[in-house]
Amino acid sequence: NAGVMQNPRHLVRRRGQEARLRCSPMKGHSHVYWYRQLPEEGLKFMVYLQKENIIDESGMPKERFSAEFPKEGPSILRIQQVVRGDSAAYFCASSPTGTSGWGYEQYFGPGTRLTVT
Amino acid sequence: DQQVKQNSPSLSVQEGRISILNCDYTNSMFDYFLWYKKYPAEGPTFLISISSIKDKNEDGRFTVFLNKSAKHLSLHIVPSQPGDSAVYFCAASARGGADGLTFGKGTHLIIQP
Repeated sequence: NAGVMQNPRHLVRRRGQEARLRCSPMKGHSHVYWYRQLPEEGLKFMVYLQKENIIDESGMPKERFSAEFPKEGPSILRIQQVVRGDSAAYFCASSPTGTSGWGYEQYFGPGTRLTVT
Repeated sequence: DQQVKQNSPSLSVQEGRISILNCDYTNSMFDYFLWYKKYPAEGPTFLISISSIKDKNEDGRFTVFLNKSAKHLSLHIVPSQPGDSAVYFCAASARGGADGLTFGKGTHLIIQP
């Protein structure tokens, strides 16, 4: 039973380019969460999605960031026109249920380390 | 405004002894708490959780205690082993885990041989 998969593991972008981060949840999990970790900080929630729906994007910066979880394929976190402050580790987590359940743990992928030069 | 606080950035414990990691929270809406362990360059690994209706949950060497009145929880690891050396994150949810978790900044646990 494969865990949460993220790719790429490392991504280098120049300022102004676009970054696309992918996340495939664990088998049987239909809810995906994205978090960002800056150096020496804890993880900060960004967005919570289920298939074709954004449930909560309260942690997402208003500009340049977007996320989707299509009916088929992985969840994508897109950062347009990257700046140096976007350099961080981005983690995806999945859980087997969401708003209708209770007491479910989130399982994390290995993360994508984004470096903006 | 940090709603989940881990006030000890690091903790050193001798192998075989008990490790106690602490976490405080301010949001009384939190109803579910989780502990994660993280090695460098890896994602967090789920360890143990506790709901707000309980005051203790145990899983092998790991026990989590919750004191709701003090808004405090702790993770006990006994006996501590070298492989326990990692960063430990406390996380909280206001919807039983079905929302974006709020994390503390982590405590770096070092197990001394």
